[in-house]
Amino acid sequence: AIRMTQSPSSFSASTGDRVTITCRASQGISSYLAWYQQKPGKAPKLLIYAASTLQSGVPSRFSGSGSGTDFTLTISCLQSEDFATYYCQQYYSYPPTFGPGTKVDIK
Amino acid sequence: EVQLVESGGGLVKPGGSLRLSCAASGFTFSSYSMNWVRQAPGKGLEWVSSISSSSSYIYYADSVKGRFTISRDNAKNSLYLQMNSLRAEDTAVYYCARALSGGGWSFDYWGQGTLVTVSS
Repeated sequence: AIRMTQSPSSFSASTGDRVTITCRASQGISSYLAWYQQKPGKAPKLLIYAASTLQSGVPSRFSGSGSGTDFTLTISCLQSEDFATYYCQQYYSYPPTFGPGTKVDIK
Repeated sequence: EVQLVESGGGLVKPGGSLRLSCAASGFTFSSYSMNWVRQAPGKGLEWVSSISSSSSYIYYADSVKGRFTISRDNAKNSLYLQMNSLRAEDTAVYYCARALSGGGWSFDYWGQGTLVTVSS
């Protein structure tokens, strides 16, 4: 199975900050990468798929980039509702696998 | 509005069985592959199983293969997960998730989840 890693595992940030989360795949996955946001007690929400395509209804402050093994999720101007845990997920090959998550909390 | 509503979770003893259901509405259920994804308490996400729109293709995670069975009833807009020989490590919130159209095993809509606790 393809192993996904994320960095950092957690960090603190302030409203208005520009934040970047990194995801790395153990082998090349082309652009078959998705990003999800999860808040405590809630289901995950799809933010980005195909590495850089914004899911309908997701604010444009979210963006994704990368291909192959290295990917980033960027939030251009952090809002209060963005404090959450973010997961990357590869769907290049079976089984689909998730990264361990990056928790973004309030500084 | 797309809605996925899971049910059937609960407390079960090791070795026991449970059947989860997911009721879908707000979209043409028979046109989409569906999935189960789980999350152990305080842990990350783990894909469990997938079923194609017509049930022709079914996949399982190695951790559940031979113990869990995914199925669907397109006439009832419902997805199921039969879980047998349950273990403590199967304790998790189980989410029903729709596959993104054309997006393989990425998931664009999720239910609220149902908690399965395996404990004596």
